[in-house]
Amino acid sequence: QVQLQESGPGLLKPSQTLSLTCTVTGGSISNDDDFWTWIRQQPGKGLEWVGCVSNSGSKFYNPSLESRVSMSLDTSKNQFSLHLRSVSAADTAVYYCARDTFDTVTAELRRYFDLWGRGTLVTVSS
Amino acid sequence: DTQMTQSPSSLSASLGGRVTIACRASQYIGRDLNWYQQKPGKAPKLLIFGASTSEGGVPSRFSGAGSGTDFTLTITSLQLEDVATYYCQQSYATPRTFGQGTKVELK
Repeated sequence: QVQLQESGPGLLKPSQTLSLTCTVTGGSISNDDDFWTWIRQQPGKGLEWVGCVSNSGSKFYNPSLESRVSMSLDTSKNQFSLHLRSVSAADTAVYYCARDTFDTVTAELRRYFDLWGRGTLVTVSS
Repeated sequence: DTQMTQSPSSLSASLGGRVTIACRASQYIGRDLNWYQQKPGKAPKLLIFGASTSEGGVPSRFSGAGSGTDFTLTITSLQLEDVATYYCQQSYATPRTFGQGTKVELK
């Protein structure tokens, strides 16, 4: 079955760049209909969509982070990545990678996050 | 951005009791509304998509309803394993947005 796994440094200093990779196993990230997504959750808080990237070249970012974020896809490694520049303590969170796909059962083509990684905690501290 | 507002923020119910969580969107989202369950230290798990369609393997006691801007998630007979935080999420537009979560506990 398809699985996602995040990897990257767990501790950063303020102003550094956060770089995370999500490795997808058991399936391909080359489907143009899937959006490979990053979602974060600050300690004790709710879920915040960071953005997504697809094999078709589409990229969408949360406007609140857009000036600092970039995402990319590497189909040769079946991975996608997140880069977040100039981090601060407010970026301390568990970062999840997920797949935004659409339903093929009801034919209504509703989209949802069906697969999630386990999450990785990134702490920003001096 | 479409703001998603859940109510209540937390609730407690008895084993076997009925639980209803409301989710309101700040603008029209059709039926592009999903529900997730998150247990402590775990990733969210998809329960309901398209407002009312259950993901495979989800117990039948979970159901969703609504369209437009107002939605509900109902658990008809609360079980111990249902203690968790529940989030609604709209997939009508980007940025995707989530409700703030509803924590469900046992009374």
